[in-house]
Amino acid sequence: AQTVTQSQPEMSVQEAETVTLSCTYDTSENNYYLFWYKQPPSRQMILVIRQEAYKQQNATENRFSVNFQKAAKSFSLKISDSQLGDTAMYFCAFGRTQGGSEKLVFGKGTKLTVNP
Amino acid sequence: KAGVTQTPRYLIKTRGQQVTLSCSPISGHRSVSWYQQTPGQGLQFLFEYFSETQRNKGNFPGRFSGRQFSNSRSEMNVSTLELGDSALYLCASSPPGTSGRGEQFFGPGTRLTVL
Repeated sequence: AQTVTQSQPEMSVQEAETVTLSCTYDTSENNYYLFWYKQPPSRQMILVIRQEAYKQQNATENRFSVNFQKAAKSFSLKISDSQLGDTAMYFCAFGRTQGGSEKLVFGKGTKLTVNP
Repeated sequence: KAGVTQTPRYLIKTRGQQVTLSCSPISGHRSVSWYQQTPGQGLQFLFEYFSETQRNKGNFPGRFSGRQFSNSRSEMNVSTLELGDSALYLCASSPPGTSGRGEQFFGPGTRLTVL
């Protein structure tokens, strides 16, 4: 079974600075997907960024980028120029298709606070 | 396009009762997944439905069940509620033609409190 570990329960960063959230996972699969989801306080979960395991190039979405190290099974999220609206729980998730079914395995989350 | 909607948003029940939660996926999405979110266990996969069939199931007792209708709307039912069932229940839908990509769109959740 796949497991996802986020070792930082809480982090804080000053507005406009850069922060990196860590995630490691364990799997014997070769084809899978990795995601970072954001859950702001009392708001719904939204996808921040996704990475296909077969792609060596790290994914980037505006201020968000990942450092994907497949051999090390590491998938960290870097947020540049942090904004107050980035304050949220961030979940790392592992996904793969099994029999056509989609299923996500989540880490426990990192609570990120952006301070003014 | 409207997002994933879940009703009701909040529920308070007592132990032993049963509850039904509803989820309407994004128009055109046929896959609906359910997750339970608690402070202690985090997000855990309950089950996934596609074309009215359960395709995958997580490690939850049989008190947790679900179904999907022909319009892709889904319901989940929890019978004989226990205090530990208090949680945020999230529904997510997946776009067609993205099998293997794992991208899911989440609803706002239903906050269930069991007293």
